[in-house]
Amino acid sequence: GQNIDQPTEMTATEGAIVQINCTYQTSGFNGLFWYQQHAGEAPTFLSYNVLDGLEEKGRFSSFLSRSKGYSYLLLKELQMKDSASYLCAVRLNQAGTALIFGKGTTLSVSS
Amino acid sequence: EPEVTQTPSHQVTQMGQEVILRCVPISNHLYFYWYRQILGQKVEFLVSFYNNEISEKSEIFDDQFSVERPDGSNFTLKIRSTKLEDSAMYFCASSDGQYSNQPQHFGDGTRLSIL
Repeated sequence: GQNIDQPTEMTATEGAIVQINCTYQTSGFNGLFWYQQHAGEAPTFLSYNVLDGLEEKGRFSSFLSRSKGYSYLLLKELQMKDSASYLCAVRLNQAGTALIFGKGTTLSVSS
Repeated sequence: EPEVTQTPSHQVTQMGQEVILRCVPISNHLYFYWYRQILGQKVEFLVSFYNNEISEKSEIFDDQFSVERPDGSNFTLKIRSTKLEDSAMYFCASSDGQYSNQPQHFGDGTRLSIL
C-alpha cells in the first residue's frame, strides 16, 4: 500500500516560521505536491517538487529528498490567514495520473 | 483566473437513490478527476478521465460509480444506489497534463449527504 505521513496538528504564532514535514513510502514517485485547504473549501495548490532540493515561492518553500522519502513545507512570516490544513500529495506515475494524499496537517496560527 | 466549477454545492439524497454530481473543468485542460473526502479524513482518489475514457481508477470506484463527459464542457460523476457511507465531499479536479509540473486544480466540491 501507499503510506504518506504528516503530523496531525501544529500551532505557531503570527510572524513565526513553521516547518511541516511529510514522509512517504509509495510504489512509485513522479512528484510531490503541497496543497492548502481551509475548512470546508477546496485544496489549493502551493508547491511542487520532483527533484531533490528547495523550491521557493514567496513566503512558502518546499524541500524534497527522494532518497529519504521526505519533504517539508516551510511557511515564513506567518499570518492568521495561514491557519488551514496542509496536504502532502504524491503522484505515483506520469502527469495526468492520481494524487495520493496524506491525512493533512492542521496548522493553527495565533496572535 | 480560470477555475473548476461544481454543482450543486450541497446535495441531500435518500439512501438507495441515484445522484449526479456535475463539474465544469478548466477549458483547456485535458485530464479530469474525481476525489472524495469523508468528514475528518484524507482526500481519496476515485477516478481520472482522459480522451473520453477512464484512464485510472481506485478500488473505491466500483460498479456503483460512473463518469461521463456528455458534452464539451461538463464532466459528471454518477453514484447509483447510494449508501450512508457515500456521504462525503466530492471534489472535481482538472489538469493540463502535458507538463509534469502542472498541478491539479480543484473545484469547491459538492457536499453529499445520504439520509
